[in-house]
Amino acid sequence: AQSVAQPEDQVNVAEGNPLTVKCTYSVSGNPYLFWYVQYPNRGLQFLLKYITGDNLVKGSYGFEAEFNKSQTSFHLKKPSALVSDSALYFCAASSSNTGKLIFGQGTTLQVKP
Amino acid sequence: SQTIHQWPATLVQPVGSPLSLECTVEGTSNPNLYWYRQAAGRGLQLLFYSVGIGQISSEVPQNLSASRPQDRQFILSSKKLLLSDSGFYLCAWSVQAITDTQYFGPGTRLTVL
Repeated sequence: AQSVAQPEDQVNVAEGNPLTVKCTYSVSGNPYLFWYVQYPNRGLQFLLKYITGDNLVKGSYGFEAEFNKSQTSFHLKKPSALVSDSALYFCAASSSNTGKLIFGQGTTLQVKP
Repeated sequence: SQTIHQWPATLVQPVGSPLSLECTVEGTSNPNLYWYRQAAGRGLQLLFYSVGIGQISSEVPQNLSASRPQDRQFILSSKKLLLSDSGFYLCAWSVQAITDTQYFGPGTRLTVL
């Protein structure tokens, strides 16, 4: 069965420090990987995606993610966190075998001033 | 540019009452449309998806149904709501390709009492 795992329910970082939100996936076929952010009582906003090509993907608001095929990971990163980055982050995956998007359970990012 | 609308934004309904949630997309033609439910502010569960007018696929057996009467309109319905139907309902759209990003609406908060 296909799955996406976000091992941390919450990540706490200080403003200005680098942040990492972890994601691992298990899909059959070529993986297509996505990151979304959700603010309270709002819909999900697309941040970035990996389809093919360069393993380092750059997205909105200074976020980037690195695709690692051997570790089946797609961790979200930002060099310098902002308090306004505090939100719920979702990793999602689909594959060449199925077009359905599977979501992880989400990681709450708390950036403290 | 494309926009996606959902209404109502919030809804409080008694158990056993009917439900109708609406989603419309502007600025694109023949999109894939999706209904998700998010429980307890965490993971998303795909309920229905549609690749065209009148074409609905159900992912989870339940007392909900979906319809697509027009190209850019997607409706989620129930004849009799259950307490377990409470949650945050999100509509999304994508272009017709499995690598395409899904873009989400603002969501409807449903509370069944």
